[in-house]
Amino acid sequence: ETGVTQSPTHLIKTRGQQVTLRCSSQSGHNTVSWYQQALGQGPQFIFQYYREEENGRGNFPPRFSGLQFPNYSSELNVNALELDDSALYLCASSPDRSVGNTIYFGEGSWLTVV
Amino acid sequence: AQSVTQLGSHVSVSEGALVLLRCNYSSSVPPYLFWYVQYPNQGLQLLLKYTTGATLVKGINGFEAEFKKSETSFHLTKPSAHMSDAAEYFCAVNPVMNTGFQKLVFGTGTRLLVSP
Repeated sequence: ETGVTQSPTHLIKTRGQQVTLRCSSQSGHNTVSWYQQALGQGPQFIFQYYREEENGRGNFPPRFSGLQFPNYSSELNVNALELDDSALYLCASSPDRSVGNTIYFGEGSWLTVV
Repeated sequence: AQSVTQLGSHVSVSEGALVLLRCNYSSSVPPYLFWYVQYPNQGLQLLLKYTTGATLVKGINGFEAEFKKSETSFHLTKPSAHMSDAAEYFCAVNPVMNTGFQKLVFGTGTRLLVSP
């Protein structure tokens, strides 16, 4: 069984640029979430997608946006990058959006904004 | 808003010693509770979770945690530390009220250091 996979693993962007991060959910999972983990911090919830629709969002500005595709893979897009966006971005998937379900995380994408 | 407090940003133990990592949550309604482990430069791996039922939960790698409603706590323990346990540990909650919406709220993490 393939777990949650993310790409790219590392990337460097310049302030003001845009970035797209990609995630393949675990087989059979229809719910995908994205988290931002700054250095030395716990992960912060960005948003969640269920069956291709956003169904929950954390305290992040609109320049953070996402998509979920029919195969339940997902993208995180960040526009107008700021230095504070430098972080590990974690994708997570779950069999469905039930609150008590286990959430499985990928290895993450390290984004550095210079 | 729901919050999680992990006491001690660093905990040091000797190999073979008891591991105790503390977690307290703030909520009048007990949430679902999780412990995740993060090894260097890796993602998060679930150690164990509490949703309902038995308050003592056993997880992987010999870890267990006990949900104590009266103390709003969910401390993680392991009887005997191993060198391979050195990692960052995160306690997280998912409020029960979030029907159809998963949003883990994480603590700031505790780094476990294991010395020979």
